[in-house]
Amino acid sequence: EVQLVESGGGLGQPGGSLRLSCAASGFTFSSYEMNWVRQAPGKGLEWVSYISSIGTTIYYADSVKGRFTISRDNAKKSLFLQMNSLRAEDTAVYYCTREGFSSSFDSWGQGTLVTVSS
Amino acid sequence: DIQLTQSPSSVSASVGDRVTITCRASQGIGSRLAWYQQKPGKAPKLLIYAASSLQSGVPSRFSGSGSGTDFTLTISSLQSEDFATYSCQQVNSIPFTFGGGTKVEIK
Repeated sequence: EVQLVESGGGLGQPGGSLRLSCAASGFTFSSYEMNWVRQAPGKGLEWVSYISSIGTTIYYADSVKGRFTISRDNAKKSLFLQMNSLRAEDTAVYYCTREGFSSSFDSWGQGTLVTVSS
Repeated sequence: DIQLTQSPSSVSASVGDRVTITCRASQGIGSRLAWYQQKPGKAPKLLIYAASSLQSGVPSRFSGSGSGTDFTLTISSLQSEDFATYSCQQVNSIPFTFGGGTKVEIK
């Protein structure tokens, strides 16, 4: 069974940093492209970042470019999101997702809540 | 960036009803569209990929159609477990944008 389990969320200070992790199991992690998606309270879904299967190609949404860094450790079957210079508008549930057929997101973690507030 | 406009934003329907949700892209995306279902407090679930392909394990009452700029998600006979929010997503180009969502509520 495919499982994605996020961790690392919590309360962050404006201007501060948090590091999210996603532990993958039940599939060959190194063969899949991965993404982070977030959802602000009561709002719709927002794509955040993409990383290729071997980590050589990376993309970011404009809203996080220069502040967030996506990475992966295929040996440890883990995906990461380093979040720096946090802003109140980064408050959201962050989901780790796997890309499947036709680049659709076929598996999602349960999400981890990030709250940015002083 | 490609904008996705969903309509309606909400719909009230009864069990057994046929429900249709539309998603319009601001430019052509071929068949590079997915549909997701999300229930309160839960992660989204993939229903349809490549505009019309049913994800494994998803009931056949769900179907998708369209290409280019206009897409449709249809629930042929609404069941109680289908009351949720549905979102489209384009995966044709970065950024992978989502529609604003359609909430399907009990009438």
